[in-house]
Amino acid sequence: KNQVEQSPQSLIILEGKNCTLQCNYTVSPFSNLRWYKQDTGRGPVSLTIMTFSENTKSNGRYTATLDADTKQSSLHITASQLSDSASYICVVSASSSASKIIFGSGTRLSIRP
Amino acid sequence: GAGVSQSPRYKVTKRGQDVTLRCDPISSHATLYWYQQALGQGPEFLTYFNYEAQPDKSGLPSDRFSAERPEGSISTLTIQRTEQRDSAMYRCASSLGQRETQYFGPGTRLLVL
Repeated sequence: KNQVEQSPQSLIILEGKNCTLQCNYTVSPFSNLRWYKQDTGRGPVSLTIMTFSENTKSNGRYTATLDADTKQSSLHITASQLSDSASYICVVSASSSASKIIFGSGTRLSIRP
Repeated sequence: GAGVSQSPRYKVTKRGQDVTLRCDPISSHATLYWYQQALGQGPEFLTYFNYEAQPDKSGLPSDRFSAERPEGSISTLTIQRTEQRDSAMYRCASSLGQRETQYFGPGTRLLVL
């Protein structure tokens, strides 16, 4: 069964601190993995997209890693800001079929001043 | 247009009525997706289009749901004989191609009474 699991479900950290969010998947055959940020009441906004051959990609203070062998990805946020408070969703797509787009349940991140 | 737009933003309807939701994708984007997002959950894939073709609609929850994109641009999602369980946020996304970044619209919040 194709699954995407994220951890932790929720996380609270102080402003300025770093954090790492995890995503494990069993989607096969793998095509790409994306991380989205979703603010409350808004649609998901793409942060990074990685294919099988890419193992790291950065977007400002966000750095995503991908280990296709262990089927794990992480999203590292550096020097967190209050505006980073949001849900972070891991999305994995299977090759050749748009119907196999599996969304994780997300990690709810709260940044405290 | 500058981004993906959806209308209406909010729709309240009585159980048993039909509703039609509209998505206007980014003009250069070939691929268009429909998602259903329950409160507090990640988006669930419904169906997608490549231009006017609809290669996969296996994510539609029942035959009451249908989608069209007759000219390969604007798309509509129609729910017939609505039920209370259809209450959700319906999100549309578009991308240049099937493996490109998806850009999400603001969504239509549907409430079935």
